[in-house]
Amino acid sequence: NAGVTQTPKFQVLKTGQSMTLQCAQDMNHNSMYWYRQDPGMGLRLIYYSASEGTTDKGEVPNGYNVSRLNKREFSLRLESAAPSQTSVYFCASRPSWSISGELFFGEGSRLTVL
Amino acid sequence: AQTVTQSQPEMSVQEAETVTLSCTYDTSESDYYLFWYKQPPSRQMILVIRQEAYKQQNATENRFSVNFQKAAKSFSLKISDSQLGDAAMYFCAYTGNTGKLIFGQGTTLQVKP
Repeated sequence: NAGVTQTPKFQVLKTGQSMTLQCAQDMNHNSMYWYRQDPGMGLRLIYYSASEGTTDKGEVPNGYNVSRLNKREFSLRLESAAPSQTSVYFCASRPSWSISGELFFGEGSRLTVL
Repeated sequence: AQTVTQSQPEMSVQEAETVTLSCTYDTSESDYYLFWYKQPPSRQMILVIRQEAYKQQNATENRFSVNFQKAAKSFSLKISDSQLGDAAMYFCAYTGNTGKLIFGQGTTLQVKP
């Protein structure tokens, strides 16, 4: 059972380049999330999708776009990468919009922007 | 907007001893959940324990328990009989009616043998 799968696990970009982080879950979850983790700042929500076909901004959406391609997949795109976007990115999902639900996380993707 | 604050960037505990990690939050909602997640060096996020705001009884999972003080908006995690495998970063998190999960800054726990 794969759970939440993120690709790539590591990426180095130059300033101004674009890239897409892919996320897929095989647990039939409705809600999906993208977070970034920076030292001393915990995990900050970038975008989330309550259900297929909907997306909403989180705490730090600037510089990012997302696509909920279908129920399984939720991608995060950096159109023009900046050094401030150097971070570890986590995708997560949970069964429904119920507030009691546990989030299931991917293993993270380490992105470095030079 | 809801906020979660962990004021202890680092903590250390002797193996087999007890340690308490602090967390405070701010919200105007009455119905919400609080969580503690553990992140070992592998980076994997693992749910440790969760607490519903309407439940007065503090949640317990084996060696892990919480002290939930709703009026004070405090949600601390107590780890009893600490083990070397407990060494990790611990995150406190809040979720309310919006469904978003908001995390604190994290506390790195060191366990000394």
